[in-house]
Amino acid sequence: AQSVTQPDIHITVSEGASLELRCNYSYGATPYLFWYVQSPGQGLQLLLKYFSGDTLVQGIKGFEAEFKRSQSSFNLRKPSVHWSDAAEYFCAVGGVNNNDMRFGAGTRLTVKP
Amino acid sequence: EAGVAQSPRYKIIEKRQSVAFWCNPISGHATLYWYQQILGQGPKLLIQFQNNGVVDDSQLPKDRFSAERLKGVDSTLKIQPAKLEDSAVYLCASSFGTGTGETQYFGPGTRLLVL
Repeated sequence: AQSVTQPDIHITVSEGASLELRCNYSYGATPYLFWYVQSPGQGLQLLLKYFSGDTLVQGIKGFEAEFKRSQSSFNLRKPSVHWSDAAEYFCAVGGVNNNDMRFGAGTRLTVKP
Repeated sequence: EAGVAQSPRYKIIEKRQSVAFWCNPISGHATLYWYQQILGQGPKLLIQFQNNGVVDDSQLPKDRFSAERLKGVDSTLKIQPAKLEDSAVYLCASSFGTGTGETQYFGPGTRLLVL
């Protein structure tokens, strides 16, 4: 069965600094990978997704993620973090049908002024 | 475009009581999902509907949880009787179809506290 590991429970970065959130997945076939963001009291919002093709995926709000099959990773990056990026970030892996989706436990991002 | 609506936003009940949550998906979205998000964890799918039929309810604790989507639009999720471990945020999401990677749009959730 597929699974997702987000090794970092909490990350703190300074505003303007670069960001990388780690995600490792386990899936028997070609995975479909997603990053979602959840602000306090809000639902999840899709940042980006990967199905095939170019392994570097661009998303909304200046985020990007790179799929590395050899490392079973799908790390999320942003070159310069804004205070409004403070939120919880979830990586998810899915299969053929959306009901196969599995979410990681999330990484909480704090942004220092 | 209106998003996924959920109510109530917060609910506090005592164990063994019953509770119901309501979800109104985005107009035209055939697929509706209910997730349970326990504090410190990612969302876990409870049930998925395609129109008014159940696609997957393998992770729904059927002895106490039930869900329906009459007429293929709104949906309700019920817990009866509630247990302490049911304290969580219940998220509803919808998507246009069930195709691989269909974007799921999430509502704000209902935060349930069982005392």
